[in-house]
Amino acid sequence: ETGVTQSPTHLIKTRGQQVTLRCSSQSGHNTVSWYQQALGQGPQFIFQYYREEENGRGNFPPRFSGLQFPNYSSELNVNALELDDSALYLCASQGQGSYEQYFGPGTRLTVT
Amino acid sequence: GEDVEQSLFLSVREGDSSVINCTYTDSSSTYLYWYKQEPGAGLQLLTYIFSNMDMKQDQRLTVLLNKKDKHLSLRIADTQTGDSAIYFCAETPPGTYKYIFGTGTRLKVLA
Repeated sequence: ETGVTQSPTHLIKTRGQQVTLRCSSQSGHNTVSWYQQALGQGPQFIFQYYREEENGRGNFPPRFSGLQFPNYSSELNVNALELDDSALYLCASQGQGSYEQYFGPGTRLTVT
Repeated sequence: GEDVEQSLFLSVREGDSSVINCTYTDSSSTYLYWYKQEPGAGLQLLTYIFSNMDMKQDQRLTVLLNKKDKHLSLRIADTQTGDSAIYFCAETPPGTYKYIFGTGTRLKVLA
């Protein structure tokens, strides 16, 4: 069984640019959540996708958007990058009706 | 507010027990979790407890839940150097699947 994978591992962008991060969920999991973890902090919930629809959103501005595909993989898009967007971005998948979320290794984004 | 609180640091000697504490926010939270994060890595699910339980034991890990005080603890028996990491508690508010994480407790195990 393949776990949650994320790409890329690291990314450096300039303020004002746009970025797309990718996540492949664990086999059989149809729900994907995205979290932002700033240095020294706990992860903060960005949003969740279930069956290709957004299923809940945290306190993040609209320039954070996402997609989920029919194979349940997901993308996180961030427009107009700001310095404070520098963080580890984690995705987590869970199965139908399950409350257990399994996390990927994360993508570390640095905005300069 | 959505502030799950944890103490920042804990240092123990190898072979001793570690107890990591967490105060969560919503007494109606359905599930409460403990995750481990090693440097530069994602989060590893260690264990979780359903809100109608007081205690759960899983090998070296014991979770205690006090719903009245909204207090959750994780006890690690016979702590090893490989247990050195940051430990996060998290809650799932009712009606949602999102997790609210604490600030994390950095556990350092001294040989």
